[in-house]
Amino acid sequence: QSALAQPASVSGSPGQSITISCTGTTSDVGGYNYVSWYQQHPGKAPKLMIYDVSNRPSGVSDRFSGSKSGNTASLTISGLQAGDEADYYCSSYTSGSTYVVFGGGTKVTVL
Amino acid sequence: EVQLVESGGGLVKPGGSLRLSCAASGFTFSGYSMNWVRQAPGKGLEWVSSISGSTNYIYYADSVKGRFTISRDNAKNSLSLQMNSLRAEDTAVYYCARDLAPDSVGPTLALDYWGQGTLVTVSS
Repeated sequence: QSALAQPASVSGSPGQSITISCTGTTSDVGGYNYVSWYQQHPGKAPKLMIYDVSNRPSGVSDRFSGSKSGNTASLTISGLQAGDEADYYCSSYTSGSTYVVFGGGTKVTVL
Repeated sequence: EVQLVESGGGLVKPGGSLRLSCAASGFTFSGYSMNWVRQAPGKGLEWVSSISGSTNYIYYADSVKGRFTISRDNAKNSLSLQMNSLRAEDTAVYYCARDLAPDSVGPTLALDYWGQGTLVTVSS
């Protein structure tokens, strides 16, 4: 099972909005709404930011939002802040031979 | 407060075995699916295995199927991962993580609480 496709890096200036894409197939992202997004700072465990495509867990800033169109899910970070600089991973349920698949990760840089 | 604490990592030779444990506290352990996720040094996240609260549903990544076995002891609030026939490519930090929703609602496959991770190094 191949990983979901994410851009290796995305950058933006403080206050700007950026969007990270996560492209899969009809067997995962496109076929189900079990898409999640995680933020990971260096040396730390991942933190859940979005689940079920567009829901935010309690305590996650509303500057983070998720959406999906076809086989591509997206995470948008608005009002970019220095603390948002981290790696971001998407994941999805898959009806393939495995159960859960992650994206390759996107490094977000705040210029 | 939900806490997950992994243990059991270390250095092992190729072909060897290792058993990881995850001690859970702060929630009704038996009511939630639990997962193992790993991260090779400098690489991305890779889901490894999942087990439902009742142990009725167990899943593995293709890369570990037939070599790794996930289990849980609900009486001891403990999750385990038995790793056999280890390979160099199994070298990673292994995290245990809880599903966001209780099994009574249905797994979301979103992982809301993670441990700090335990490093497994497979090398001769």
